[in-house]
Amino acid sequence: DSGVTQTPKHLITATGQRVTLRCSPRSGDLSVYWYQQSLDQGLQFLIQYYNGEERAKGNILERFSAQQFPDLHSELNLSSLELGDSALYFCASSVGGTYTGELFFGEGSRLTVL
Amino acid sequence: DQQVKQNSPSLSVQEGRISILNCDYTNSMFDYFLWYKKYPAEGPTFLISISSIKDKNEDGRFTVFLNKSAKHLSLHIVPSQPGDSAVYFCAASLKTSYDKVIFGPGTSLSVIP
Repeated sequence: DSGVTQTPKHLITATGQRVTLRCSPRSGDLSVYWYQQSLDQGLQFLIQYYNGEERAKGNILERFSAQQFPDLHSELNLSSLELGDSALYFCASSVGGTYTGELFFGEGSRLTVL
Repeated sequence: DQQVKQNSPSLSVQEGRISILNCDYTNSMFDYFLWYKKYPAEGPTFLISISSIKDKNEDGRFTVFLNKSAKHLSLHIVPSQPGDSAVYFCAASLKTSYDKVIFGPGTSLSVIP
């Protein structure tokens, strides 16, 4: 158990809809990272927050947005969903910035868009 | 652009033998390289890392080798055990962009009893 909690574990929705994925980091961790893993793809970095502020952005679509709340949990909002958005979405956390690269991952949220 | 590459999608090894997983990268500025392990229905877990100023790091059965001139690293598992069967992701991070960790596509390792 990494200490990172993601909900929901599974989500099935239709094209054009909007969903919200939630992540609670490990106790004491200030940084939250979101990654997307599509079929046969690696982990694509989406976005990172540190103590409520956006810190780094990766290949995140404009239809996607995220935020980190004062209690440090984070939400990833996916809107106008397309079939290609079906993927595993992972949240990870670390104490601060992590140039050593060591992240603690949740179990992921599997999104299926029909 | 794929800055971290793992060209072998899968690898099968007999139990007790050595497993060698390879990774290539394009950005010579990376500061740390890591290996993560992922079992089905679980998130990736950190396995071992190496700083760019070193060429080898060992932790029990796991050793990572770094060849900076070739922009290549490898993970050796000796001896391989069935419980090592998982997807292994190579990853790299940059101090100047220290909030971004870039992952490769992964290699699925099967250790056959």
